[in-house]
Amino acid sequence: QSVLTQPPSVSGAPGQWVTISCTGSSSNIGAGYDVHWYQQLPGTAPKLLIYTNINRPSGVPDRFSGSQSGTSASLAITGLQAEDEADYYCQSYDSRLSGSGVFGTGTKVTVL
Amino acid sequence: QLQLQESGPGLVKPSATLSLTCTVSGGSIGSTSYYWGWIRQPPGKGLEWVGSIYYSGSAYYNPSLKSRVTISVHTSRNLFSLRLSSVTAADTAVYYCARHEATAAGKPFDYWGQGTLVTVSS
Repeated sequence: QSVLTQPPSVSGAPGQWVTISCTGSSSNIGAGYDVHWYQQLPGTAPKLLIYTNINRPSGVPDRFSGSQSGTSASLAITGLQAEDEADYYCQSYDSRLSGSGVFGTGTKVTVL
Repeated sequence: QLQLQESGPGLVKPSATLSLTCTVSGGSIGSTSYYWGWIRQPPGKGLEWVGSIYYSGSAYYNPSLKSRVTISVHTSRNLFSLRLSSVTAADTAVYYCARHEATAAGKPFDYWGQGTLVTVSS
C-alpha cells in the first residue's frame, strides 16, 4: 500500500478541466518534500510531467500544472485532449521509508 | 540524448535470482550529479521504487525489498545491474531503470528506459 493516495480514475470531455489529487501525510508532502508527476501512456514508460511541485520539463504543454498545499498535491489538466488519456502518478519522499521514490497509487484519466 | 536500455531474462523460476542490466548511452554513469535507479510495475498495477545507486557504489533500497535486493554499478562499461533473490510470482513485473539527481532525496526520475517484463514462473 502506497503512502500517497490518488483517486483510481477521473474523466472529462475534450476541452474540459480535470484535477488529480495526491494525498499524503506529515512524513511526506506535509513535511515539505517535493512532489513530482508522471504520465504513463498505454504500453510505455512513465514520462516526467511536473517536477518540484509546479515546474514543467521542456516540451510539456502548459495545459498541465501542479500545485501543493498542506499534506496534498494536485495535477490539473486544462483543455483536456484525447492524447491525455493515460495513467498519472505522483511521487514524493517519505521520511519514514528512507526511499527515493515513493509513488502514488495512480489515476487513470479517461477522455469521454 | 541520454538513453537507458534494460536487458535480461524474461522468465525466471520461483526461488531463483532475477538479474537485469541497464546500459546507459549518451551520457556517463560516472557523473557525480546523478543516481541510477530501478522501478518496477506489476501488470495492471502501480509503480514501486526498488533501489538506487551512485557511481561510487553507494546504494539504498526500498525497505520492503532490502533483504533480497542488490544493485551494483560498472562505470567502465557504463551500466548498472539489479539482482533480486528468492523471487516469487509477486515479483512478476515490468522493470524500469531510470536516472535521478543526487542533490537530495526524493528527486524526480527524469530519464527512463523502455522497461522489460520479467515473469516468475516454473
